[in-house]
Amino acid sequence: VVLTQSPLYLPVTLGQPASISCRSSQGLVNINGNTYLSWFQQRPGQSPRRLIYRVSNRDSGVPDRFSGSGSGTDFTLKISRVEAEDVGIYYCLQGSHSPPWTFGQGTRVDI
Amino acid sequence: QVQLMESGGGVVQPGRSLRLSCEASGFTFSSYSIYWVRQAPGMGLEWVAVISYDGSNKFYADSVKGRFTISRDNSKNTLYLHMNSLRPEDTAVYYCAKDENSSPQYWGHGTLVIVSS
Repeated sequence: VVLTQSPLYLPVTLGQPASISCRSSQGLVNINGNTYLSWFQQRPGQSPRRLIYRVSNRDSGVPDRFSGSGSGTDFTLKISRVEAEDVGIYYCLQGSHSPPWTFGQGTRVDI
Repeated sequence: QVQLMESGGGVVQPGRSLRLSCEASGFTFSSYSIYWVRQAPGMGLEWVAVISYDGSNKFYADSVKGRFTISRDNSKNTLYLHMNSLRPEDTAVYYCAKDENSSPQYWGHGTLVIVSS
């Protein structure tokens, strides 16, 4: 399964919304009926941090300005109002058809 | 709180071996699958391997299959990655990460492996 993110670079304005797309080469509903698509944030110089799991579930401590949506082959990470601390690289990851687990190429978000 | 701490990285010549460790705390280690994920300098994330909670199932990326071995010692709350026949393209920061909902939830700080003559 190949995940294609767009855009690869996203200039953003503080306080404005932002959106990242993740498209899969095949549908991500697995034989159990679950969709294992998650999103990660990697701030400069830091380890990745998971934001969203199973398409739309926010991890504990993740601000509610982050939301995930989508189905089938098309998925989106949205930031409702960008803050300065949101600068970094965002990755999607699929586990529906694993192994292997596959990441998207990453989207760089910058002010 | 959940903590994962990798160690064992360093500079190694091509063709040599290295063993990475990941010491876990703050959760019941023996109940969770654990991943290794790597990131080459300036590049994206690449899944390397995963091991089930009891070590009975192990899966590898094609790029490391036959060269790397993942293992765990639940009595020591420690995960390992034995890396043989290292290549320059294995140069990366190696992260261990705890599984939750079939996805790596908590990540360590990573350990850098440089394969160079």
